Amino acid sequence: KNQVEQSPQSLIILEGKNCTLQCNYTVSPFSNLRWYKQDTGRGPVSLTIMTFSENTKSNGRYTATLDADTKQSSLHITASQLSDSASYICVVSLNSGYALNFGKGTSLLVTP
Amino acid sequence: NAGVTQTPKFRILKIGQSMTLQCTQDMNHNYMYWYRQDPGMGLKLIYYSVGAGITDKGEVPNGYNVSRSTTEDFPLRLELAAPSQTSVYFCASSYWNSGYPQETQYFGPGTRLLVL
Repeated sequence: KNQVEQSPQSLIILEGKNCTLQCNYTVSPFSNLRWYKQDTGRGPVSLTIMTFSENTKSNGRYTATLDADTKQSSLHITASQLSDSASYICVVSLNSGYALNFGKGTSLLVTP
Repeated sequence: NAGVTQTPKFRILKIGQSMTLQCTQDMNHNYMYWYRQDPGMGLKLIYYSVGAGITDKGEVPNGYNVSRSTTEDFPLRLELAAPSQTSVYFCASSYWNSGYPQETQYFGPGTRLLVL
């Protein structure tokens, strides 16, 4: 059973528009939540890492939010660019080190 | 720094053949990991290592073996390739200690393996 669920599965937006990706998790006890960006044919690259005490964290045009009470997280992308086209993966950690639970990812396509 | 490097980039194996996927990191990270990524699925942990000489099984270890003789290298061995092992394999590394719980995992570019 996948303990990290992401929505939508795929998304197409116009360049310059904003979008929000969702992540719900049932992993417990929770240590931290991460968002990764994975370009086609490449390895994932870390965007943000948040502990349960953090509500929001930004990395440039990427802003992640976390509600540990409802076990929900979102990744907001502002003023999208063509280079934002990628898969965005939500990852929840039980504890630091090896215990990571990966979502299946949201595939984002930004069109001109 | 080159980061995490993996070889080969792509390989076709016949059923029953064996091969080793190579992984090297130059960041002096203590933790290293092997994942597999099947189409439309999340990454699954195969094996991990917390330091040279120490390895342990992840979620899907069957059909694989690892070793960690140095801090830099963490090869993954497939002994008897099966079609179910067709996947993309990612190696990753991170530095972790109890005083730094938000460690970032750095991933290699991946090895695409096709077993026919």
